[in-house]
Amino acid sequence: DGGITQSPKYLFRKEGQNVTLSCEQNLNHDAMYWYRQDPGQGLRLIYYSQIVNDFQKGDIAEGYSVSREKKESFPLTVTSAQKNPTAFYLCASSTQGSNQPQHFGDGTRLSIL
Amino acid sequence: SQKIEQNSEALNIQEGKTATLTCNYTNYSPAYLQWYRQDPGRGPVFLLLIRENEKEKRKERLKVTFDTTLKQSLFHITASQPADSATYLCALDGQGAGSYQLTFGKGTKLSVIP
Repeated sequence: DGGITQSPKYLFRKEGQNVTLSCEQNLNHDAMYWYRQDPGQGLRLIYYSQIVNDFQKGDIAEGYSVSREKKESFPLTVTSAQKNPTAFYLCASSTQGSNQPQHFGDGTRLSIL
Repeated sequence: SQKIEQNSEALNIQEGKTATLTCNYTNYSPAYLQWYRQDPGRGPVFLLLIRENEKEKRKERLKVTFDTTLKQSLFHITASQPADSATYLCALDGQGAGSYQLTFGKGTKLSVIP
C-alpha cells in the first residue's frame, strides 16, 4: 500500500541534543511538508519542499532543519536551538499543484527528558 | 493578519442527527478550502476540497458549502454515527491563490452519542 511512514512513533530528547525525525513516502509525490501540532492549536508549518534539493521555511522554522536529497525522503532535525520542542510532528506529501490534498503520516511525538 | 476560526472546540450530537461544523476566515481570499478528519494519535485524513467558484460539494454522507461573501464554510455529516467521532480540521491556501501551503484551523472535536 502506498503511504507515508514516520518513525519513530515516540521520541525522547535530552536537553541540548539534536534529534532527527524520519519521513518516507512511496506515493511518488513531489511536494513534502512538516507540521507541528500542539494541544489546542492548529497545525503549523515548519518547512516544505516542492522538489528534490529545494525547500522553504514555513511559519515556525527557527530551531529546525531539513534536507531533501531524495524524492521519497524528507527528514526533519530538531536542533538544540528549539527551546520548546515537545509536540506532535506530522509529515505530509502531495502531488504538484496548488490545490492538491495532502496525505499525512501518523506522526512522531517528541518529548523532552 | 490571516485568521481561521472553527467556531466550536467540541460538538456533541445524537446518533442519526446531522452534525454541522463551521469554519470562518478573515483577511483571506482563498482559492479553495479543504476539510480533514483526525483521529487521536493519528495524522489527518483528507475528506473534501471545495473551490471558491463552487457553492457546494458532496461525498456520501458529507456535504461542504463555501460562501466567499460570508467568508465561511459549513461541513455537514448527515445520519451521523459513533464512528464519525473525531476532530475535523478545515484548511485554506494560506498565502493566496496558487500557494502550496495550507493554513489549518484548530479543529472541532465531534462526539456522536449512541
